Amino acid sequence: DIQLTQSPSFLSPSVGDRVTITCRASQGISSYLAWYQQKPGKAPKLLIYTASTLQSGVPSRFSGSGSGTEFTLTISSLQPEDFATYYCQQLKSYPLTFGGGTKVEIK
Amino acid sequence: EVQLLESGGGLVQPGGSLRLSCAASGFSFSTYGMSWVRQAPGKGLEWVSVISNTGGTTYYADSVKGRFTISRDNSKDTLYLQMNSLRAEDTAIYYCSRGAMSSGRFDYWGQGALVTVSS
Repeated sequence: DIQLTQSPSFLSPSVGDRVTITCRASQGISSYLAWYQQKPGKAPKLLIYTASTLQSGVPSRFSGSGSGTEFTLTISSLQPEDFATYYCQQLKSYPLTFGGGTKVEIK
Repeated sequence: EVQLLESGGGLVQPGGSLRLSCAASGFSFSTYGMSWVRQAPGKGLEWVSVISNTGGTTYYADSVKGRFTISRDNSKDTLYLQMNSLRAEDTAIYYCSRGAMSSGRFDYWGQGALVTVSS
């Protein structure tokens, strides 16, 4: 099974900060990686797929990069509505797996 | 508008069974692979199972293999998850999602159904 390790697990930035979250895969997954945002009590929301493709309707301050085993999600200027938990997911092979999550809390 | 609406959650005793349903609307259901993802209280996301658009191919997480069965009825635009031999560790919110490895993303999610396994 492919393991995904996210870092950090917790972030406490300020509004306007640039935020970077890393996801490392235990083996190469090409660009078969997606990023999701989840707010408390809500279902996850797709942000990025195939490592760098922005899902329709997602603000352009979100971007994704990487391939192989190392990926990043970047929020260029954190907004109040971006405080949430973020998960990466690999879609290279079954079983599909998620990273452990990165919680972004208000400083 | 794409909508996924889960139902069938509830409280069940260890060893019991439950069937979740997910009613889909707003898209051509029979052309998409569909998945179930769960989230234990206070924990992260765990992929559970996937079914191809025709229902001919299914995969499961090791944690549920042999106990859970995913299925679909394309004439009713509905996805199912039959859960047998339930354990306390199956307690979670279960989300249905439009997505599979072939699509490269899970782009729509239901609101979730809470399953609690407790005596």
